[in-house]
Amino acid sequence: AQKVTQAQTEISVVEKEDVTLDCVYETRDTTYYLFWYKQPPSGELVFLIRRNSFDEQNEISGRYSWNFQKSTSSFNFTITASQVVDSAVYFCALGAQKLVFGQGTRLTINP
Amino acid sequence: GAVVSQHPSRVICKSGTSVKIECRSLDFQATTMFWYRQFPKKSLMLMATSNEGSKATYEQGVEKDKFLINHASLTLSTLTVTSAHPEDSSFYICSARDPRTGYTGELFFGEGSRLTVL
Repeated sequence: AQKVTQAQTEISVVEKEDVTLDCVYETRDTTYYLFWYKQPPSGELVFLIRRNSFDEQNEISGRYSWNFQKSTSSFNFTITASQVVDSAVYFCALGAQKLVFGQGTRLTINP
Repeated sequence: GAVVSQHPSRVICKSGTSVKIECRSLDFQATTMFWYRQFPKKSLMLMATSNEGSKATYEQGVEKDKFLINHASLTLSTLTVTSAHPEDSSFYICSARDPRTGYTGELFFGEGSRLTVL
């Protein structure tokens, strides 16, 4: 069975701080995809990144970066120099078409 | 880019009535769509896979007769919550992938539909 664990239920930091959201997954598949989605208060899911299991290169997109480590089955997400607009619930997910979501981490950036 | 749209975004109904939620792929044809449910402050749980022209595939524990799914065309899937009760109140989200991007393409989510049953 596939499983995604986001151990951090809530995180609160002051603006401009760096923050890392943890994601640990379990799967028996050799080929799989990992995702991060942002869910602002309005409710829609905003796609952030997709990573396939064969690509362990870290990725950086502006203030966002992702660290994928198959050895520890982790796919952590770091926001550098956080901003108030980053406040949202962030979900890590595993799968291809049918996704298994983690419990989500509610991130609050305080001014 | 590809967009998936849901309607209505919010619906309030009385207990015992049925509610239909639509999920449309706006600029691509989706033979498969997925319906998720999200309880307040909880994660998203896959309810069912909607297959165009055939029966939906439901996840374990999801009542087929309660949550009717119809995928009558390549751009529209509907979820009908029948005889709704307050415990059906939830946020329902659909998703689909543009088949032109293949199996690895981005999975697009609708805006979600918040159902409140009084």
